[in-house]
Amino acid sequence: DVQLVESGGDLVQPGGSLRLSCAASGFSLSNYGMFWVRQPPGKGLEWVSGINYNGAYIFYADSVKGRFTISRDSSKNTLYLQVNSLRAEDTAVYYCARAYSSGFYSYFESWGQGTLVTVSS
Amino acid sequence: EIVLTQSPGTLSLSPGERVTLSCRASQYITSGHLAWYQQKPGQSPRLLIYGTSTRATVIPDRFSGSGSGTDFTLTISRLEPEDFAVYYCHQYDSSPQTFGQGTKLEIK
Repeated sequence: DVQLVESGGDLVQPGGSLRLSCAASGFSLSNYGMFWVRQPPGKGLEWVSGINYNGAYIFYADSVKGRFTISRDSSKNTLYLQVNSLRAEDTAVYYCARAYSSGFYSYFESWGQGTLVTVSS
Repeated sequence: EIVLTQSPGTLSLSPGERVTLSCRASQYITSGHLAWYQQKPGQSPRLLIYGTSTRATVIPDRFSGSGSGTDFTLTISRLEPEDFAVYYCHQYDSSPQTFGQGTKLEIK
């Protein structure tokens, strides 16, 4: 079975940093596009970043460009999101999601349970 | 960026009713790259429909999707108690990918 387990969320001060992790099992990250989607408390979904199967194609939402970095470690079968220069508006549950295919332009077939990032002083 | 506008924001309905949710795109979506997700409180989103009209695995046939270009719809033919949730459309046609703001179905 496909499983995605996020971790790394925490309470952090404005300007701080975190590294979010998404441990995958039941499939190889190297064969699929992977994404991060976030959801502020009580609000809707926001697409944050994505990476295709071989890492050749990476894209970020304008709201996080220059502050967030997506990456993955194939040996650990884990997806990461380095989040820097955090702002109050970055407070959200961060979900990782797997694409249907190796491509970048894909719907999200599987989702993790999310990890909460709270930015507050 | 393609902006997706969902309407209405909230619907109050009764079990057994038929409902159609709308998702309108600010630009043409090619190849039908439009998906729908259901999210219940405290849960992750669940894929319902992809490619505008293809139901995901184990999604019951009371859910159907249609549309083209800039106008897309999700129809639930007969509401079951477990269908009361928030529904999001998602375009994966161009970067950045985007979601609609959601439509909440609540029990009347």
